[in-house]
Amino acid sequence: EPEVTQTPSHQVTQMGQEVILRCVPISNHLYFYWYRQILGQKVEFLVSFYNNEISEKSEIFDDQFSVERPDGSNFTLKIRSTKLEDSAMYFCASSKIQGGSKNIQYFGAGTRLSVL
Amino acid sequence: GQSLEQPSEVTAVEGAIVQINCTYQTSGFYGLSWYQQHDGGAPTFLSYNALDGLEETGRFSSFLSRSDSYGYLLLQELQMKDSASYFCAVSITGGGNKLTFGTGTQLKVEL
Repeated sequence: EPEVTQTPSHQVTQMGQEVILRCVPISNHLYFYWYRQILGQKVEFLVSFYNNEISEKSEIFDDQFSVERPDGSNFTLKIRSTKLEDSAMYFCASSKIQGGSKNIQYFGAGTRLSVL
Repeated sequence: GQSLEQPSEVTAVEGAIVQINCTYQTSGFYGLSWYQQHDGGAPTFLSYNALDGLEETGRFSSFLSRSDSYGYLLLQELQMKDSASYFCAVSITGGGNKLTFGTGTQLKVEL
């Protein structure tokens, strides 16, 4: 069964450093997302991406964040200058169709980002 | 914005039936999804309702009442492996497909 793949599974970085989290969405999916989950809290939407551009972003997704689809398979989240509060599990997700009728989003296993 | 409320924790015994409620406040409501998450693992899709009524998928069913801004997930014939966190999530019209998740309900299944 196709799945969303994320690498690395765990990333440790120093405050102020740049990190890139990588995702390979399911191959025939057109919509891509990043979410994050701080330990013990709910999953929060960061950004959605379609047709090579951002379709929506949350208040969390400030100028320190960016997303890119550098080729036909990868989808990346970059944090330019990490802060302690960026420590969280970051989930990539993808879906086949837009909204409504069963907008089933398939999630990857996540990247745990630890900012020291 | 959107807000969703769920009970923080529910405990039930193996073989029983349990209902996890979700109330939401949002404008432009489109649909309500349910996801299961084991110990910080990937959220996994369980069920979706856009219209009022019951959707059944094996041991899991989900119900929606749009007029009451309320839904629930029903788990039947509980198994130990059902111990996990369950999240409801709303999608809205014109919302770029984003899901807004509830606070999550931790289900503990006991022998």
